[in-house]
Amino acid sequence: SQQGEEDPQALSIQEGENATMNCSYKTSINNLQWYRQNSGRGLVHLILIRSNEREKHSGRLRVTLDTSKKSSSLLITASRAADTASYFCATTNSGNTPLVFGKGTRLSVIA
Amino acid sequence: EAQVTQNPRYLITVTGKKLTVTCSQNMNHEYMSWYRQDPGLGLRQIYYSMNVEVTDKGDVPEGYKVSRKEKRNFPLILESPSPNQTSLYFCASSSFQGGYEQYFGPGTRLTVT
Repeated sequence: SQQGEEDPQALSIQEGENATMNCSYKTSINNLQWYRQNSGRGLVHLILIRSNEREKHSGRLRVTLDTSKKSSSLLITASRAADTASYFCATTNSGNTPLVFGKGTRLSVIA
Repeated sequence: EAQVTQNPRYLITVTGKKLTVTCSQNMNHEYMSWYRQDPGLGLRQIYYSMNVEVTDKGDVPEGYKVSRKEKRNFPLILESPSPNQTSLYFCASSSFQGGYEQYFGPGTRLTVT
């Protein structure tokens, strides 16, 4: 099954810096989503970008999608200690097919 | 409050003792799914359901069963648990109207000894 792969696996930055995470996938998609998971807890949906969109913003989050390269990036601006979490991308094909998650990027924001 | 609930949150059991993890959502979502999360492996889908009485295997269905008799409930059944099913389990639901944004439960940490 298709799967998003996040890069890097782990990222450590200082508070106030920007954090960029990337996601690559293998086959055509209907949409791509980003989720956040605080340690041991349920995933929380952050943002969804459709295959015909190139960029989307939500607060301090900016997501881009390049379908020609089969990749997406998540930018968190002015990071805070509370942004420390794992971030996952997830993709779904056209039609009602299940969401498939990558293995995540573990972000640490140091105060 | 819109939510997905799971019970129990923590469970320690022994090999071979049948158990059920319940999942319930109050958002009238058509789609429900079970995942397991293991270190280094990310989230892997176990089973999913498009609607009542419609279930399908995910990537790692072996050793698990599910049922969807009501729209709101999607229990996960381990008929004969084994130590390799020790994991963190998540239930999730979504509406097809919403572009498949998934709502996750808080997780069930299962240990099989």
